[in-house]
Amino acid sequence: QVQLVESGGGVVQPGRSLRLSCAASGFTFSSYGIHWVRQAPGKGLEWVAVISYDGSVKYYADSVRGRFTIARDNSKNTLYLQMDSLRAEDTAVYYCAKKMTLNRGAGPCDYWGQGTLVTVSS
Amino acid sequence: DIQMTQSPSSLSASVGDRVTITCRASRAISNYLAWYQQTLGKAPKLLIYGASTLQSGVPSRFSGSGSGTDFTLTISSLQPEDVATYYCQNYNNAPWTFGQGTTVEIQ
Repeated sequence: QVQLVESGGGVVQPGRSLRLSCAASGFTFSSYGIHWVRQAPGKGLEWVAVISYDGSVKYYADSVRGRFTIARDNSKNTLYLQMDSLRAEDTAVYYCAKKMTLNRGAGPCDYWGQGTLVTVSS
Repeated sequence: DIQMTQSPSSLSASVGDRVTITCRASRAISNYLAWYQQTLGKAPKLLIYGASTLQSGVPSRFSGSGSGTDFTLTISSLQPEDVATYYCQNYNNAPWTFGQGTTVEIQ
């Protein structure tokens, strides 16, 4: 069955960096785009970034563009989110989520990981 | 960027009631609209995509409608397990914005 397992969260000081990972299994990872979505404590869902199936196309939310970098290693079935210059407002649970449709087709997120908590605090 | 606005932000209804949540896009997104359900402490779950297509395994009491800018999620007969926050999402193109969420409670 499809599984997405995030890791790498933790407590980090403002201005520092953190890298999240999302290990995928149960599907052909190299055929699907993957999103990062976050949720601040007690708040709603916020889309963060997406990467195409082959890593050639990436989009970012305005709130993280220039600070966060999404990447993938299809040989390891793993997605990454490199987060630099972290701010208090980046504190959230970060989810990776698989796009439903193959390759570049438009589609919603049909499978989600359990999330990893990032806390930015001094 | 396309903004997604849900209403109401919360509602309380009785078991068996028909519940309707609306989502409005700031410009037309055809039918590239998904609905998700999130229960407390859990990851979101896809309910409906293409504005009206029920995801596999989702109970038939859930339905979606709409196209363009105005969309609706309906629960035909509210059940205790439907207590959750519901989000709409535009997946037409970047940014893949979510609505602010609607929290459904049982009276």
